[in-house]
Amino acid sequence: AQSVAQPEDQVNVAEGNPLTVKCTYSVSGNPYLFWYVQYPNRGLQFLLKYITGDNLVKGSYGFEAEFNKSQTSFHLKKPSALVSDSALYFCAEKAAGNKLTFGGGTRVLVKP
Amino acid sequence: NAGVTQTPKFRVLKTGQSMTLLCAQDMNHEYMYWYRQDPGMGLRLIHYSVGEGTTAKGEVPDGYNVSRLKKQNFLLGLESAAPSQTSVYFCASSKGLLADFGPGTRLTVT
Repeated sequence: AQSVAQPEDQVNVAEGNPLTVKCTYSVSGNPYLFWYVQYPNRGLQFLLKYITGDNLVKGSYGFEAEFNKSQTSFHLKKPSALVSDSALYFCAEKAAGNKLTFGGGTRVLVKP
Repeated sequence: NAGVTQTPKFRVLKTGQSMTLLCAQDMNHEYMYWYRQDPGMGLRLIHYSVGEGTTAKGEVPDGYNVSRLKKQNFLLGLESAAPSQTSVYFCASSKGLLADFGPGTRLTVT
């Protein structure tokens, strides 16, 4: 069974500080992993994906994510957070049958 | 190119009423999904479809039915709504690895 875990319900960070949002996955083999962001009253927007290759993946809006197979993690990072990064972030994995499974979400609050 | 659209945007139902949520995509995507989003639980997959005329159960299918009669449309039906089905419903479609999401339908069952 596949599952995606986001251990933190909320992350608070000061503007300009580094931001990390944690995600662990459980699918065996070579996972397809994604990060999506949701702004208030909006649908989900794609940020970045890991399919294969370099463990550090760069995405939209200055975000990047590090794939770590030994720790089964795919943490989202941003070197310098902005107030406008405040949103709900979802980690997801895609397995056989093209089912896309999401974690519970992490709310990010960036304070000025 | 409208992407993924959902109808309606909001709806209030009484317990026991029925309704159908419509999802439409104009990107010729093979795969379509219905999710529900509840606080603290992320997005949970209700049903999905890998092509016209096919549907499959997801993680939380009970109380819902779906149909994919046309490739561009994926309908989600509630035959007898219950308060536990109060949620925000998102439709998504994909051709390869990336999924496009609709804006959501906020459903309240009283």
